[in-house]
Amino acid sequence: GAVVSQHPSRVICKSGTSVKIECRSLDFQATTMFWYRQFPKQSLMLMATSNEGSKATYEQGVEKDKFLINHASLTLSTLTVTSAHPEDSSFYICSASRSGQGNSYEQYFGPGTRLTVT
Amino acid sequence: DAKTTQPPSMDCAEGRAANLPCNHSTISGNEYVYWYRQIHSQGPQYIIHGLKNNETNEMASLIITEDRKSSTLILPHATLRDTAVYYCIVTYGQNFVFGPGTRLSVLP
Repeated sequence: GAVVSQHPSRVICKSGTSVKIECRSLDFQATTMFWYRQFPKQSLMLMATSNEGSKATYEQGVEKDKFLINHASLTLSTLTVTSAHPEDSSFYICSASRSGQGNSYEQYFGPGTRLTVT
Repeated sequence: DAKTTQPPSMDCAEGRAANLPCNHSTISGNEYVYWYRQIHSQGPQYIIHGLKNNETNEMASLIITEDRKSSTLILPHATLRDTAVYYCIVTYGQNFVFGPGTRLSVLP
């Protein structure tokens, strides 16, 4: 399978500061990347869809001014959590999508970034 | 909301086959069935996907019923490293909706 990396793997920041998380597709070009959030003992929740060269599409209830997404190249998307608060503490996971057989798609996920806001 | 229903948990003895069911009774004709798994504190790992036919790869087999309303993921010889949450996803396109999945525990 394809490889997607995330950096950093874990970060601790103070309330009110901003944190940037990078997601890289290492061995294929991804026109679309996705950002998910996962709280303890819960499933993944899609936050936004990131398309190279255009604005991200955010899911309902996700503040686009708080979670800034940039997809400047076919292999890199970044998520910036602005003015972080303790309730933003979560496991953030990105994925990169490529087309498979027929009309199917394969999403490859990064290892995740654990954000703790103190 | 996820379009699939899975049992919340299952146990399997090490070395035996693990059969994980998934119900997707409202699946549309052009929707694919995908399986992923997530080991604790890691990102989900792609396992397999299919449309109508049964599929097999080096990790698992996917059996889809003829009416496509349910499927089964088969891990032929489960190992302790297969302990994870397994997600069955039905979708057309790239938007994946994750349900709660099945927590598979492989027991020694």
